[in-house]
Amino acid sequence: AQSVAQPEDQVNVAEGNPLTVKCTYSVSGNPYLFWYVQYPNRGLQFLLKYITGDNLVKGSYGFEAEFNKSQTSFHLKKPSALVSDSALYFCAVGFNDYKLSFGAGTTVTVRA
Amino acid sequence: DAGVIQSPRHEVTEMGQEVTLRCKPISGHDYLFWYRQTMMRGLELLIYFNNNVPIDDSGMPEDRFSAKMPNASFSTLKIQPSEPRDSAVYFCASSLVVGNTGELFFGEGSRLTVL
Repeated sequence: AQSVAQPEDQVNVAEGNPLTVKCTYSVSGNPYLFWYVQYPNRGLQFLLKYITGDNLVKGSYGFEAEFNKSQTSFHLKKPSALVSDSALYFCAVGFNDYKLSFGAGTTVTVRA
Repeated sequence: DAGVIQSPRHEVTEMGQEVTLRCKPISGHDYLFWYRQTMMRGLELLIYFNNNVPIDDSGMPEDRFSAKMPNASFSTLKIQPSEPRDSAVYFCASSLVVGNTGELFFGEGSRLTVL
């Protein structure tokens, strides 16, 4: 069975500081890994994905994530957070059957 | 493209009533997914379709739930009879088969409240 864990319910950072949202996965084989963001009263929006190749993946809005196979992690990062980055972030893992398993989500609050 | 369109955005109903949620996927997308989001259980996949055919409905909670996709541009999720524990936000998402990337495009969701 495939699963993903987001160990932090909430992350609070000051604007301009680096932002990291953690994700670890448990899946056999070679997973597909995704990050989505959800703003209040909206649907999820795709940020970035790792399928294969370079372990550092760059996505929308200045976000990036690093795939670490030995640590089974896929942490989301942004060098300098903005107040507008405040949202709910979901990590997801999939395989080749299009069924994504989502983590519980991490609420990010960026204070001015 | 307008994206995935869901209706209604909000629905308040009484226990025992039938609820029908609707979804129009992005044109050309081969896969359609129904998810349910609650505080307690997070995001749960209910069912998904490929080329209008249900592939996996193992996430459908019970027989009160049913989903159809009569054509490539329309899907419904029906709850009959509804119960208070069905209160949640229901999302529809669609996906295009391009190298098995699995990127999902979500609608804005239908917030269901069952009294």
